[in-house]
Amino acid sequence: EAGVAQSPRYKIIEKRQSVAFWCNPISGHATLYWYQQILGQGPKLLIQFQNNGVVDDSQLPKDRFSAERLKGVDSTLKIQPAKLEDSAVYLCASSLREGVHYGYTFGSGTRLTVV
Amino acid sequence: QKEVEQNSGPLSVPEGAIASLNCTYSDRGSQSFFWYRQYSGKSPELIMSIYSNGDKEDGRFTAQLNKASQYVSLLIRDSQPSDSATYLCAVAGGSYIPTFGRGTSLIVHP
Repeated sequence: EAGVAQSPRYKIIEKRQSVAFWCNPISGHATLYWYQQILGQGPKLLIQFQNNGVVDDSQLPKDRFSAERLKGVDSTLKIQPAKLEDSAVYLCASSLREGVHYGYTFGSGTRLTVV
Repeated sequence: QKEVEQNSGPLSVPEGAIASLNCTYSDRGSQSFFWYRQYSGKSPELIMSIYSNGDKEDGRFTAQLNKASQYVSLLIRDSQPSDSATYLCAVAGGSYIPTFGRGTSLIVHP
């Protein structure tokens, strides 16, 4: 089966600009996650979707970050306006359903540099 | 606040030796424990999962879990230079969403 697809691989923007990342989960996976990994740290959950509904967005900086999964398949994560501290790798993962966790398959990630 | 602690390293071992990576966690209700390997510039890759006390072996990798001590470890036998990477410990509780540690950098030198 195809893995989790993410694009773009790299993005460089100036602070205060906006940026969007795209993720297409493994086919049939109802649950989708966006993680932020800052250099030297472990991944931190930003938002979890179950189909097209948000399950957990408690760590999403909602003043600047937004995410959607309108049709319950692919998802977009947006940052507007970007800050220097948003420089990180943004990882997407998916799982068959919400519930017991058996480990993630991550996408290749999008490396964001804010200058 | 659920915490997962790892020594950032680097842990340096000679080729052929056993590498021992350790992780402690704060949430006593944790149920699932994972080790991910992350090569530089790549995304994390799941290598081991463990759910009950004791040891679980998979090839050269052994995961050890001690819930009473809130401690999980990963042993890599016959370490190879290709094992050089950052190893992330992740712990999941009742919410099933794992919390990741910051990872331990492992260097296996020839």
